[in-house]
Amino acid sequence: EDQVTQSPEALRLQEGESSSLNCSYTVSGLRGLFWYRQDPGKGPEFLFTLYSAGEEKEKERLKATLTKKESFLHITAPKPEDSATYLCAATGGGNKLTFGTGTQLKVEL
Amino acid sequence: EAGVAQSPRYKIIEKRQSVAFWCNPISGHATLYWYQQILGQGPKLLIQFQNNGVVDDSQLPKDRFSAERLKGVDSTLKIQPAKLEDSAVYLCASSRAREANTIYFGEGSWLTVV
Repeated sequence: EDQVTQSPEALRLQEGESSSLNCSYTVSGLRGLFWYRQDPGKGPEFLFTLYSAGEEKEKERLKATLTKKESFLHITAPKPEDSATYLCAATGGGNKLTFGTGTQLKVEL
Repeated sequence: EAGVAQSPRYKIIEKRQSVAFWCNPISGHATLYWYQQILGQGPKLLIQFQNNGVVDDSQLPKDRFSAERLKGVDSTLKIQPAKLEDSAVYLCASSRAREANTIYFGEGSWLTVV
């Protein structure tokens, strides 16, 4: 069965303090690794898709990377508006998206 | 481009009552999904449609949940009778195709069963 595990569950950063969120996955025949941002009371908002090990994607202060076993979401010099829950999901041979439980990020002034 | 539309946004019902949620996917998206997200957890797939056919409903509690997608566009998810543990956000999502394509989510329908 496909599994996606995210760590840490919660993370508090000071504004400008860079860090990384981890997503480890066990998916047979990975077809895509996705990162979403979810704000309270909202649906998940798509950030990135990664397809193969070594791939990297960037958007503003966020950079997602992928290895054969895990993905990282690096946050450089975060701002309070980056506070949200970050969800990782993977899809394998069955084309079913399996989500992790998310990392709740809080960036303080 | 309009996003995935869902209604109602919020619903409070008593246990054993019924409720229905509606979803209109992004125009041109053939694949439609219903996910259940319980507070503090990641979304869990309930059912996936390709056009108006069911692709995966393995995690749909079929004794109380049903879903349909008539004419391959809008979809309705129904719960009858509701249980306390059905309290969750019901997220509709859509994508252009089945295979590893980006999935876009609606704002969700928040259900509280009391």
